[in-house]
Amino acid sequence: GNSVTQMEGPVTLSEEAFLTINCTYTATGYPSLFWYVQYPGEGLQLLLKATKADDKGSNKGFEATYRKETTSFHLEKGSVQVSDSAVYFCALSRESGGSNYKLTFGKGTLLTVNP
Amino acid sequence: DAGVTQSPTHLIKTRGQQVTLRCSPKSGHDTVSWYQQALGQGPQFIFQYYEEEERQRGNFPDRFSGHQFPNYSSELNVNALLLGDSALYLCASSLVISGANVLTFGAGSRLTVL
Repeated sequence: GNSVTQMEGPVTLSEEAFLTINCTYTATGYPSLFWYVQYPGEGLQLLLKATKADDKGSNKGFEATYRKETTSFHLEKGSVQVSDSAVYFCALSRESGGSNYKLTFGKGTLLTVNP
Repeated sequence: DAGVTQSPTHLIKTRGQQVTLRCSPKSGHDTVSWYQQALGQGPQFIFQYYEEEERQRGNFPDRFSGHQFPNYSSELNVNALLLGDSALYLCASSLVISGANVLTFGAGSRLTVL
């Protein structure tokens, strides 16, 4: 079945540090890949997505590239801010371009950014 | 523009009781999905409703059931509650024709079973 593995947290960084959160997946077919962010007390928000191999998703300074050869979708940001402190979830859906299929999530990575 | 709203935000039940959680989708959305998020875990798919029918179901027992109303709102019902049902229950809505696979999540209903 489909699964997502992301790096264990928590991750603690100083402001302006470089961020990488690793994510690898196992899936049949050609999944779409996502990063969601969850701030304390809030629901999940879509951060970025990629629907086919070699696509790069980007938003708010975050980016991730869909690497089919390594089945990875690592999240990166060049300079984190205190406001980036949250839990980050990597997720996939069953087929690329498919509509409204279920999402399979990783366990989440807690990021804390200190001033 | 209101997003996805869920109620109640918090509730406490005892083992064996039944609970109903409610969800109003984002304006213009017609599909509702429910997820269970245990503490420290990622969300797990429960089921999805479209046109008042269950379209997909995850690996959850029949104690978990749902309903979608003509106005697209939805309910999640859990019978015979177990301690392990304690979790944050997330509702997400989307538009079936969008094809973009983008879900809008609510803030969730936190259920504690004692």
